[in-house]
Amino acid sequence: SAVISQKPSRDICQRGTSLTIQCQVDSQVTMMFWYRQQPGQSLTLIATANQGSEATYESGFVIDKFPISRPNLTFSTLTVSNMSPEDSSIYLCSVARHGGEAFFGQGTRLTVV
Amino acid sequence: DAKTTQPPSMDCAEGRAANLPCNHSTISGNEYVYWYRQIHSQGPQYIIHGLKNNETNEMASLIITEDRKSSTLILPHATLRDTAVYYCIVRVGSSNTGKLIFGQGTTLQVKP
Repeated sequence: SAVISQKPSRDICQRGTSLTIQCQVDSQVTMMFWYRQQPGQSLTLIATANQGSEATYESGFVIDKFPISRPNLTFSTLTVSNMSPEDSSIYLCSVARHGGEAFFGQGTRLTVV
Repeated sequence: DAKTTQPPSMDCAEGRAANLPCNHSTISGNEYVYWYRQIHSQGPQYIIHGLKNNETNEMASLIITEDRKSSTLILPHATLRDTAVYYCIVRVGSSNTGKLIFGQGTTLQVKP
């Protein structure tokens, strides 16, 4: 398995501000993934973050709103920019092992007021 | 990746086997069936995966039909701690891309 630490675990933010979420993995991984889970909903993939290249965003998500950094093989950040109440969600990072199974952090619960 | 269909909710008595079905009629030959679960307020947890043979680990068993169009996750002796949302996902694997497309899953309620 992989140990994934996310910070912060939760936050309450004012609309119009930005929040950067950190994801630290206990071993080197090629790809890291960021998901959003809106209240009462399933998980939706935001983007895939590869070290040394631009993140690949899924349909409906753009870099200006969710900039991602991947400075090395164990760390990534997701920024939620210019927040509105609609951005209130749980944000999760994930990595995969060679067997194909994915492992998730505990998530960042964001409330925008 | 193929789409999956799961019942939205199920109940199970504590100590009994929980059988969670999943339909994936459009599955391709190189696609695996993965199961994850999400206990309230936690990140999803990997349970098991398989290609065409039945699989068993310490958490569960996975039964895949011969035509691979459906599968069943079996929790042999459900406990209250197994109450969670269970997601059946079909994807090309076992690559290490890790990209998962989640459906709505099945909410399993284990009752005393």
